[in-house]
Amino acid sequence: DAGVIQSPRHEVTEMGQEVTLRCKPISGHNSLFWYRQTMMRGLELLIYFNNNVPIDDSGMPEDRFSAKMPNASFSTLKIQPSEPRDSAVYFCASRRTGGLGYTFGSGTRLTVV
Amino acid sequence: DQQVKQNSPSLSVQEGRISILNCDYTNSMFDYFLWYKKYPAEGPTFLISISSIKDKNEDGRFTVFLNKSAKHLSLHIVPSQPGDSAVYFCAASAKNRDDKIIFGKGTRLHILP
Repeated sequence: DAGVIQSPRHEVTEMGQEVTLRCKPISGHNSLFWYRQTMMRGLELLIYFNNNVPIDDSGMPEDRFSAKMPNASFSTLKIQPSEPRDSAVYFCASRRTGGLGYTFGSGTRLTVV
Repeated sequence: DQQVKQNSPSLSVQEGRISILNCDYTNSMFDYFLWYKKYPAEGPTFLISISSIKDKNEDGRFTVFLNKSAKHLSLHIVPSQPGDSAVYFCAASAKNRDDKIIFGKGTRLHILP
């Protein structure tokens, strides 16, 4: 079990550029969650998927953010265009149906300059 | 609006003493509560949980207490060890409604030698 795999670990980009964060959930887990961690707001849920279908995207801050899950083993979170206030650590987590807690990836630290 | 509140951003405790981390919640639909531990540059990892039908759950040095009438839970660590220094997130979910887990902002615990 390789755990939840996120890439890249670190991303530094210029304001206005497109950023794509990637996540591979644990095999057999059919729920996937994207969280953002900041000092001010802690861990915020952005969006989650069940069986590759987006269920709740009410946490997505604005239209610049989009997420996809084309298959059970891959998800992306895209920010276009990026802004300095998007700088944060973005976590992906997965869970199997009926499971109680999530397994988190190691996160992507995004810095927008 | 923060549905899960951790009002202490940080806490320092002497090694060997008891660490008590507190958490309050506002949503009466929450029926499952979790604590996660996070080291720097790593994702949060599940520590201990409690269902709303219980008021206490113990796992080794870690005990979680739930007071439903006060909408309050706490995590006790006894005895505190240097490796316990980390950020602790309180989290809650309404398992009968949806899959998502709502996190607090976290409390940074420092274990002093």
